[in-house]
Amino acid sequence: AQKITQTQPGMFVQEKEAVTLDCTYDTSDPSYGLFWYKQPSSGEMIFLIYQGSYDQQNATEGRYSLNFQKARKSANLVISASQLGDSAMYFCAMREVNNAGNMLTFGGGTRLMVKP
Amino acid sequence: DAEITQSPRHKITETGRQVTLACHQTWNHNNMFWYRQDLGHGLRLIHYSYGVHDTNKGEVSDGYSVSRSNTEDLPLTLESAASSQTSVYFCASSPLASGFYNEQFFGPGTRLTVL
Repeated sequence: AQKITQTQPGMFVQEKEAVTLDCTYDTSDPSYGLFWYKQPSSGEMIFLIYQGSYDQQNATEGRYSLNFQKARKSANLVISASQLGDSAMYFCAMREVNNAGNMLTFGGGTRLMVKP
Repeated sequence: DAEITQSPRHKITETGRQVTLACHQTWNHNNMFWYRQDLGHGLRLIHYSYGVHDTNKGEVSDGYSVSRSNTEDLPLTLESAASSQTSVYFCASSPLASGFYNEQFFGPGTRLTVL
Protein backbone atom coordinates (compact mmCIF):
# COMPACT_ATOMS: atom_id res chain seq x y z
CA ALA A 1 0.00 0.00 0.00
CA GLN A 2 1.13 3.51 -0.73
CA LYS A 3 2.40 5.24 2.37
CA ILE A 4 2.10 8.73 0.90
CA THR A 5 -0.56 9.57 -1.68
CA GLN A 6 -0.78 12.78 -3.62
CA THR A 7 -3.91 12.55 -5.74
CA GLN A 8 -3.41 15.69 -7.83
CA PRO A 9 -0.80 15.11 -10.53
CA GLY A 10 -1.22 18.67 -11.81
CA MET A 11 -2.98 21.85 -10.72
CA PHE A 12 -3.47 25.39 -11.97
CA VAL A 13 -3.95 28.40 -9.75
CA GLN A 14 -4.36 32.06 -10.55
CA GLU A 15 -1.64 34.36 -9.31
CA LYS A 16 -2.43 35.88 -5.88
CA GLU A 17 -4.98 33.17 -5.06
CA ALA A 18 -4.57 30.48 -2.41
CA VAL A 19 -4.12 26.83 -3.35
CA THR A 20 -4.26 23.56 -1.42
CA LEU A 21 -2.14 20.56 -2.36
CA ASP A 22 -3.43 17.30 -0.99
CA CYS A 23 -1.44 14.66 0.85
CA THR A 24 -2.71 11.59 2.67
CA TYR A 25 -0.52 9.13 4.50
CA ASP A 26 -0.69 5.66 5.92
CA THR A 27 1.17 4.56 9.03
CA SER A 28 0.62 2.55 12.18
CA ASP A 29 3.49 4.34 13.92
CA PRO A 30 2.10 6.92 16.40
CA SER A 31 5.31 8.95 16.08
CA TYR A 32 6.02 10.46 12.70
CA GLY A 33 6.92 13.64 10.92
CA LEU A 34 5.51 15.05 7.71
CA PHE A 35 7.54 17.18 5.31
CA TRP A 36 6.83 19.17 2.18
CA TYR A 37 9.49 19.83 -0.43
CA LYS A 38 9.39 22.04 -3.51
CA GLN A 39 11.23 21.12 -6.71
CA PRO A 40 11.41 23.95 -9.26
CA SER A 41 12.28 23.31 -12.89
CA SER A 42 15.96 23.71 -12.04
CA GLY A 43 15.69 20.39 -10.18
CA GLU A 44 16.84 21.08 -6.64
CA MET A 45 14.79 19.92 -3.66
CA ILE A 46 13.84 22.74 -1.31
CA PHE A 47 12.45 22.02 2.16
CA LEU A 48 9.29 24.03 2.88
CA ILE A 49 7.56 22.96 6.06
CA TYR A 50 7.39 20.26 8.72
CA GLN A 51 4.65 18.88 11.01
CA GLY A 52 5.20 16.41 13.84
CA SER A 53 2.51 13.91 14.72
CA TYR A 54 2.18 15.25 18.26
CA ASP A 55 2.19 18.91 17.32
CA GLN A 56 -1.02 20.52 18.51
CA GLN A 57 -1.01 23.39 16.07
CA ASN A 58 -0.73 23.43 12.30
CA ALA A 59 2.72 24.40 11.09
CA THR A 60 3.20 27.69 9.28
CA GLU A 61 6.19 29.14 7.42
CA GLY A 62 5.52 32.44 5.73
CA ARG A 63 3.02 31.84 2.93
CA TYR A 64 3.04 28.09 3.56
CA SER A 65 0.83 26.37 6.07
CA LEU A 66 0.11 22.73 6.69
CA ASN A 67 -3.50 21.69 7.28
CA PHE A 68 -2.89 18.67 9.52
CA GLN A 69 -5.90 16.44 10.15
CA LYS A 70 -4.52 13.53 12.13
CA ALA A 71 -7.69 11.45 12.32
CA ARG A 72 -8.08 11.62 8.56
CA LYS A 73 -4.33 11.09 8.06
CA SER A 74 -4.02 14.09 5.82
CA ALA A 75 -1.36 16.80 5.68
CA ASN A 76 -2.36 19.25 2.99
CA LEU A 77 -0.08 22.11 2.01
CA VAL A 78 -1.73 25.51 1.68
CA ILE A 79 0.04 28.23 -0.26
CA SER A 80 -1.48 31.66 0.21
CA ALA A 81 -1.22 34.47 -2.33
CA SER A 82 0.37 32.36 -5.07
CA GLN A 83 3.28 33.81 -6.98
CA LEU A 84 4.64 32.90 -10.40
CA GLY A 85 7.74 31.52 -8.68
CA ASP A 86 5.58 28.96 -6.90
CA SER A 87 5.24 27.02 -10.15
CA ALA A 88 7.03 23.76 -9.37
CA MET A 89 6.64 20.14 -8.32
CA TYR A 90 5.65 19.66 -4.70
CA PHE A 91 6.37 16.50 -2.75
CA CYS A 92 4.91 15.33 0.52
CA ALA A 93 7.09 12.99 2.59
CA MET A 94 6.87 11.13 5.88
CA ARG A 95 9.38 9.93 8.46
CA GLU A 96 8.18 7.14 10.74
CA VAL A 97 10.26 7.48 13.86
CA ASN A 98 9.98 3.94 15.20
CA ASN A 99 9.81 1.88 12.05
CA ALA A 100 12.13 3.50 9.57
CA GLY A 101 14.75 5.48 11.39
CA ASN A 102 15.68 8.56 9.50
CA MET A 103 14.31 7.59 6.11
CA LEU A 104 11.76 9.64 4.24
CA THR A 105 9.00 8.10 2.11
CA PHE A 106 7.83 10.39 -0.68
CA GLY A 107 4.57 10.76 -2.54
CA GLY A 108 4.41 10.96 -6.32
CA GLY A 109 4.23 14.73 -6.34
CA THR A 110 1.90 17.46 -7.60
CA ARG A 111 2.87 19.86 -10.36
CA LEU A 112 1.59 23.33 -9.58
CA MET A 113 1.31 25.90 -12.33
CA VAL A 114 0.59 29.51 -11.42
CA LYS A 115 -1.18 31.55 -14.09
CA PRO A 116 -0.51 35.29 -14.42
CA ASP B 1 29.40 27.26 3.57
CA ALA B 2 28.54 23.63 4.15
CA GLU B 3 27.02 21.89 1.19
CA ILE B 4 26.26 18.63 -0.57
CA THR B 5 27.56 18.06 -4.08
CA GLN B 6 27.06 15.39 -6.70
CA SER B 7 29.16 14.49 -9.68
CA PRO B 8 28.80 14.17 -12.53
CA ARG B 9 25.67 16.25 -13.06
CA HIS B 10 24.94 14.49 -16.33
CA LYS B 11 26.11 11.08 -17.51
CA ILE B 12 25.40 8.99 -20.57
CA THR B 13 26.54 5.40 -20.51
CA GLU B 14 25.92 2.12 -22.27
CA THR B 15 24.09 -0.96 -21.09
CA GLY B 16 26.33 -3.27 -19.12
CA ARG B 17 28.92 -0.71 -18.04
CA GLN B 18 29.74 -0.01 -14.43
CA VAL B 19 28.93 3.53 -13.35
CA THR B 20 29.72 5.34 -10.11
CA LEU B 21 27.94 8.48 -9.00
CA ALA B 22 29.67 10.57 -6.36
CA CYS B 23 28.10 12.33 -3.39
CA HIS B 24 30.07 14.54 -1.01
CA GLN B 25 28.75 16.54 1.96
CA THR B 26 30.59 18.94 4.20
CA TRP B 27 28.03 19.14 7.03
CA ASN B 28 29.58 16.20 8.86
CA HIS B 29 26.15 14.53 8.82
CA ASN B 30 25.94 10.93 9.96
CA ASN B 31 23.05 9.99 7.68
CA MET B 32 23.31 9.82 3.91
CA PHE B 33 20.76 8.63 1.36
CA TRP B 34 20.47 7.87 -2.33
CA TYR B 35 17.14 8.29 -4.16
CA ARG B 36 16.06 7.94 -7.74
CA GLN B 37 13.34 10.12 -9.23
CA ASP B 38 11.11 8.87 -12.02
CA LEU B 39 7.92 10.36 -13.41
CA GLY B 40 4.92 9.29 -11.37
CA HIS B 41 6.98 7.73 -8.60
CA GLY B 42 8.35 10.69 -6.72
CA LEU B 43 11.62 9.85 -5.02
CA ARG B 44 12.36 6.24 -4.11
CA LEU B 45 15.06 5.23 -1.69
CA ILE B 46 17.90 3.13 -3.10
CA HIS B 47 20.42 2.82 -0.25
CA TYR B 48 21.19 4.65 2.94
CA SER B 49 23.89 4.87 5.57
CA TYR B 50 23.80 5.93 9.21
CA GLY B 51 27.55 6.18 9.59
CA VAL B 52 30.95 5.01 8.44
CA HIS B 53 30.93 1.37 7.31
CA ASP B 54 27.13 1.23 7.74
CA THR B 55 25.00 0.64 4.62
CA ASN B 56 21.40 -0.48 4.20
CA LYS B 57 19.13 -1.38 1.32
CA GLY B 58 16.17 0.77 0.48
CA GLU B 59 13.04 0.19 -1.54
CA VAL B 60 14.73 -0.17 -4.95
CA SER B 61 18.25 -1.44 -4.24
CA ASP B 62 18.58 -4.17 -6.90
CA GLY B 63 21.45 -3.39 -9.28
CA TYR B 64 22.97 -0.74 -7.00
CA SER B 65 25.61 -0.76 -4.28
CA VAL B 66 27.13 1.78 -1.90
CA SER B 67 30.05 1.91 0.49
CA ARG B 68 30.81 4.40 3.26
CA SER B 69 34.50 4.69 4.08
CA ASN B 70 34.29 8.18 5.59
CA THR B 71 31.66 10.59 6.87
CA GLU B 72 31.68 12.89 3.85
CA ASP B 73 31.16 10.50 0.93
CA LEU B 74 28.61 7.92 -0.19
CA PRO B 75 29.30 6.82 -3.78
CA LEU B 76 26.56 4.93 -5.61
CA THR B 77 27.64 2.21 -8.03
CA LEU B 78 25.58 0.64 -10.77
CA GLU B 79 27.32 -2.69 -11.26
CA SER B 80 26.00 -3.30 -14.77
CA ALA B 81 23.90 -0.42 -16.02
CA ALA B 82 20.48 -1.19 -17.48
CA SER B 83 18.10 1.03 -19.45
CA SER B 84 15.64 0.79 -16.55
CA GLN B 85 18.18 2.70 -14.46
CA THR B 86 17.85 5.80 -16.61
CA SER B 87 16.71 8.31 -14.02
CA VAL B 88 17.61 11.35 -11.98
CA TYR B 89 19.57 10.44 -8.87
CA PHE B 90 19.55 12.51 -5.71
CA CYS B 91 21.85 12.23 -2.76
CA ALA B 92 20.75 13.60 0.61
CA SER B 93 22.14 13.90 4.10
CA SER B 94 20.81 14.60 7.56
CA PRO B 95 22.19 14.84 11.07
CA LEU B 96 21.46 12.33 13.81
CA ALA B 97 17.81 12.78 14.74
CA SER B 98 17.05 13.74 18.30
CA GLY B 99 13.31 13.85 17.76
CA PHE B 100 10.75 13.62 15.00
CA TYR B 101 12.19 16.50 13.03
CA ASN B 102 15.01 15.49 10.74
CA GLU B 103 15.25 17.57 7.62
CA GLN B 104 17.17 16.01 4.77
CA PHE B 105 19.40 18.24 2.66
CA PHE B 106 19.52 17.32 -0.99
CA GLY B 107 22.24 17.52 -3.59
CA PRO B 108 21.55 19.02 -7.03
CA GLY B 109 20.95 15.63 -8.67
CA THR B 110 22.63 13.58 -11.40
CA ARG B 111 20.80 12.84 -14.62
CA LEU B 112 21.85 9.39 -15.83
CA THR B 113 20.96 8.03 -19.25
CA VAL B 114 21.66 4.38 -20.07
CA LEU B 115 21.59 3.63 -23.79
